[in-house]
Amino acid sequence: AQSVTQLGSHVSVSEGALVLLRCNYSSSVPPYLFWYVQYPNQGLQLLLKYTTGATLVKGINGFEAEFKKSETSFHLTKPSAHMSDAAEYFCAVRFSGGSNYKLTFGKGTLLTVNP
Amino acid sequence: DTGVSQDPRHKITKRGQNVTFRCDPISEHNRLYWYRQTLGQGPEFLTYFQNEAQLEKSRLLSDRFSAERPKGSFSTLEIQRTEQGDSAMYLCASSSQEAGANVLTFGAGSRLTVL
Repeated sequence: AQSVTQLGSHVSVSEGALVLLRCNYSSSVPPYLFWYVQYPNQGLQLLLKYTTGATLVKGINGFEAEFKKSETSFHLTKPSAHMSDAAEYFCAVRFSGGSNYKLTFGKGTLLTVNP
Repeated sequence: DTGVSQDPRHKITKRGQNVTFRCDPISEHNRLYWYRQTLGQGPEFLTYFQNEAQLEKSRLLSDRFSAERPKGSFSTLEIQRTEQGDSAMYLCASSSQEAGANVLTFGAGSRLTVL
């Protein structure tokens, strides 16, 4: 079955430290990949997406992610964490060969930024 | 463009009662989706509309659930005879039909608590 795995339900970093949130998917065919962020009491906001082309994609708020086909991964990084980055982050995948509209989400990673 | 609006934002009801949620998508978006998010989980796909046509329903959507999108504009999600297991955040999203990644824009959600 196609699935999305986010390693670590909770990640805690210090302000200014590197942020690394991990996402792996199960598929032999490269899918479309997304990262969404959810702040408390708000909807999901798109951070970045990968469709085709350059495997390193840049998003909003200084985040970027790299698609690695051989590792079936799409990890999210930010060089220097800011307090305002504290939120829950979801990796989402649109698998090839299925519905061209349905997203499968990971369980999410809660990011805490310590002063 | 006011984004995707959902109403009500919070609903507390007693088991066995019926509830209805409304979603107003971005006006130029012809695709509309409902997702459900429970505590500690990522959003799960419930159903999808293209214009007024409901094209897919997840197996998660039992017979007690019904969604409509009359005239292809706003949508309603009704839950009849609510159960405690229905307690969740119900998320609506919309997108436009365009080539590429079909990026979803989410509303803030309607949180349902069934007592």
